[in-house]
Order: sequence, then C-alpha cells, then structure tokens
Amino acid sequence: NAGVMQNPRHLVRRRGQEARLRCSPVKGHSHVYWYRQLPEEGLKFMVYLQKENIIDESGMPKERFSAEFPKEGPSILRIQQVVRGDSAAYFCASSPKRSYSGNTIYFGEGSWLTVV
Amino acid sequence: ILNVEQSPQSLHVQEGDSTNFTCSFPSSNFYALHWYRWETAKSPEALFVMTLNGDEKKKGRISATLNTKEGYSYLYIKGSQPEDSATYLCAPSMNRDDKIIFGKGTRLHILP
Repeated sequence: NAGVMQNPRHLVRRRGQEARLRCSPVKGHSHVYWYRQLPEEGLKFMVYLQKENIIDESGMPKERFSAEFPKEGPSILRIQQVVRGDSAAYFCASSPKRSYSGNTIYFGEGSWLTVV
Repeated sequence: ILNVEQSPQSLHVQEGDSTNFTCSFPSSNFYALHWYRWETAKSPEALFVMTLNGDEKKKGRISATLNTKEGYSYLYIKGSQPEDSATYLCAPSMNRDDKIIFGKGTRLHILP
C-alpha cells in the first residue's frame, strides 16, 4: 500500500545546475500538487496538475521552474539554473479527484534541495 | 491571496493537559477546511476535512469544529501525550478552487 513516493529525498546542486524532483502519486490518484517549504515558512502552493494537464500554476515562479505529469510515469518538478534561494523542501501530494470536493490530499515525505 | 491565520504560533503544554488552537480564514466563498498534523522529517498527515458550518469531527483525543459564517476552526487535543508534539496545519479551500492553502501552523510541544 504505497503512499506518495518522492525522490530523491535529498539533492545537492551547485548554482546554475538543474534540479529534477520526481513524485509518484498514490496508485489510482490522477491529481498531483507541489508545495514548497522555505526555511521558517509554511507550505506554499506551487502547482496543481492532472495527467497531462496543468490545472493551476499560480504559485510557480515565472522563470526557471516547470512541472509536468505525463500520462505514464511520475510527476516531475524541474528547476533550471538553480540559485541559493531555491534551497527548500519540496513536497508532493496526490488525490483521487479534485480537492475542492473536500477530499483529502496525501503527502509524500518531501525532497530537500540544497544549492551550494 | 488567501489569508490563513493560525494561533498561537507555538504552544507548550504539560503532558495530560488539554489544549486548543485556532485557524481563521475568509468566510466568503468558503468550500472546505482541512487539518493536518506534521511531524518533523515526516509527511503531513491528514486529520480532518470539514465542509459544513457547525461540523464537528473527532479522531481519538483530537477533535475539530468549524464555523464558516465567521471564518474559524478550532482544533482540540484532550489529555495531551508526548506523541502529540507536532505542527498542526490548517488549510482552507475556497471558491471551488482546487488549491489548498496552508497556514503557517501551530507548533505544539508536550512537556513531560
């Protein structure tokens, strides 16, 4: 009974490199959410995706960040040309249907990105 | 931008005592309210989701109430235990919007 799986759990990148964070939702869930936790901050919404569609990316920085959830395979959060300010914990969550109906979303254990 | 306020930010409670804390959110266009429990280095764990004014939910020693007209929810913990030490997050969703917006949480420390 696998929950939301995120990998890598810890990632170190030098400034200017690319970071790719992967998220496999709970089996049967077709909706994925990405949140970011900056130091001393709460969970900030980044993007909400359904299979092959971005539903809401209002929390994504306009540059360098992108996300996808292909028909097959995990969801990917991609950060190009990382800077020190990108250092954070990135959490993925999934749900079987749209959360506004009151359904719970289930979180992974997070990926910690450190930019050096 | 949705403004979610949780208070207090941090709380120390003696083991065995009961406690409660608050989440406030805009009352207009409310759709659902989620409570999560988040232990350090673990994933946030869903506690409750509530949608109707006056809703009360209970899970063991933890319970929650919802007032959508005035825009607040209370989380209660009865007879606190060391394992209750965690950050408690509330997260409303509004306007049939799919985003769940989290407050900064209440960090609860149970003192032995």
